[in-house]
Amino acid sequence: GEDVEQSLFLSVREGDSSVINCTYTDSSSTYLYWYKQEPGAGLQLLTYIFSNMDMKQDQRLTVLLNKKDKHLSLRIADTQTGDSAIYFCAEGLDTGKLIFGQGTTLQVKP
Amino acid sequence: GAVVSQHPSWVICKSGTSVKIECRSLDFQATTMFWYRQFPKQSLMLMATSNEGSKATYEQGVEKDKFLINHASLTLSTLTVTSAHPEDSSFYICSAREAGNTEAFFGQGTRLTVV
Repeated sequence: GEDVEQSLFLSVREGDSSVINCTYTDSSSTYLYWYKQEPGAGLQLLTYIFSNMDMKQDQRLTVLLNKKDKHLSLRIADTQTGDSAIYFCAEGLDTGKLIFGQGTTLQVKP
Repeated sequence: GAVVSQHPSWVICKSGTSVKIECRSLDFQATTMFWYRQFPKQSLMLMATSNEGSKATYEQGVEKDKFLINHASLTLSTLTVTSAHPEDSSFYICSAREAGNTEAFFGQGTRLTVV
C-alpha cells in the first residue's frame, strides 16, 4: 500500500543542523519531495529528488535518498528561527498523485 | 516557478449552506488538478484528482455528491462543499500540474469554518 511516515517533532538550537527523516513504502515513486508549511499557510516546495538519485544539495538543504531502504532525509544546515515550520515529505507517483507524510514540526530555539 | 491561486483564503459559512472554492493556474495550463484536505496537525489527504474536461476521480471514502469538483477549463477547477456541516471545517488545498510535467504546484489553501 501507499504509506509515508515521519517523526512528528524535532527541536534544535539556532545554528545547529536539523535532520528530518522519512520512510515510504511504494516502489513506484518517481520523485520525492520536501514541503514546508508555516502556520495557516499553504505548502511551499523546498526541494525534490528524482528517485534514481541518492543525493541533492541546494544551498542549506541536503536531501539523501536510500532507495533500497526507502528512506529519505532532509538536512538543514545552520538552522535559523525562520526555519521553524512543519516539514512534509511526499512521495510522487507516476500518476501525479502525492502521498504525504504526517509532517515533522521543527522547533528552532534561539 | 508556476503560480496557483486559490480563492478564498478563508471562509466562514452557516451549516447547511454550500461553499465554492476556486483553484486557478495563472501562468500554465493545468491539465490535472488535485484537491487535498488537511485536518489540524495532520497530513494532507488527497480527496480527488480531476483532469480537464473529465469527471473527477475520488479517493476511497470521499463522497462525490458532497464534494463536487468541476474542471471545465485548463486554468480553473472548483470544489463545492455542499450542505456543509461543522465536521467539514478544514483546510482545503489544491495543486495543479501541466501535461508532461511531473511537478505539481500548490495553492495557498482555503480555511473553511462551518458554524
